[in-house]
Amino acid sequence: ETGVTQSPTHLIKTRGQQVTLRCSSQSGHNTVSWYQQALGQGPQFIFQYYREEENGRGNFPPRFSGLQFPNYSSELNVNALELDDSALYLCASSLGVFTDTQYFGPGTRLTVL
Amino acid sequence: GQQVMQIPQYQHVQEGEDFTTYCNSSTTLSNIQWYKQRPGGHPVFLIQLVKSGEVKKQKRLTFQFGEAKKNSSLHITATQTTDVGTYFCAGPWGAQKLVFGQGTRLTINP
Repeated sequence: ETGVTQSPTHLIKTRGQQVTLRCSSQSGHNTVSWYQQALGQGPQFIFQYYREEENGRGNFPPRFSGLQFPNYSSELNVNALELDDSALYLCASSLGVFTDTQYFGPGTRLTVL
Repeated sequence: GQQVMQIPQYQHVQEGEDFTTYCNSSTTLSNIQWYKQRPGGHPVFLIQLVKSGEVKKQKRLTFQFGEAKKNSSLHITATQTTDVGTYFCAGPWGAQKLVFGQGTRLTINP
């Protein structure tokens, strides 16, 4: 059984740039959620994808967008990067929606300069 | 919106001492989940509690879900250095998102 993988591990961008983060869900999981974790904080829900459709969204602006592909892998895109976007971005897969256990990937550490 | 609060924010103990973290929700939860995040790592699922008043044990860890399903606790007996990390509780908000507490960071003096 393959766990959740994310790429890249680390990324440095400058303000105003765009970034794409990638996630492969755990085998058999059809739901992917993205979280932003600032230093010293708990993960903050960005959005969830279930069978290629957005299934819920947190309090993040539209410049945070995503996709889920037929193989249930997913992308998180962030446009017009701001300094406050610097954080650990976590992808989590699950068998179903939010009542189910979230299996987290190792995360992508994004630094915006 | 729903808030999930955890106390304390930090806890430092001597190895062998007990540790407890508390989680309180502003709304009734259908379930509560607990995760552990080691330094530099990612959250790892520990347990899910569903029933009012439920108590579950995993070796030295005891998890409780309050009768009103608005609070929960995690108690670790006789801490070991492997228990170091940040412990998060999380509860579903409707069917659309999982809300995490800010976590309790546990450090241990060997």
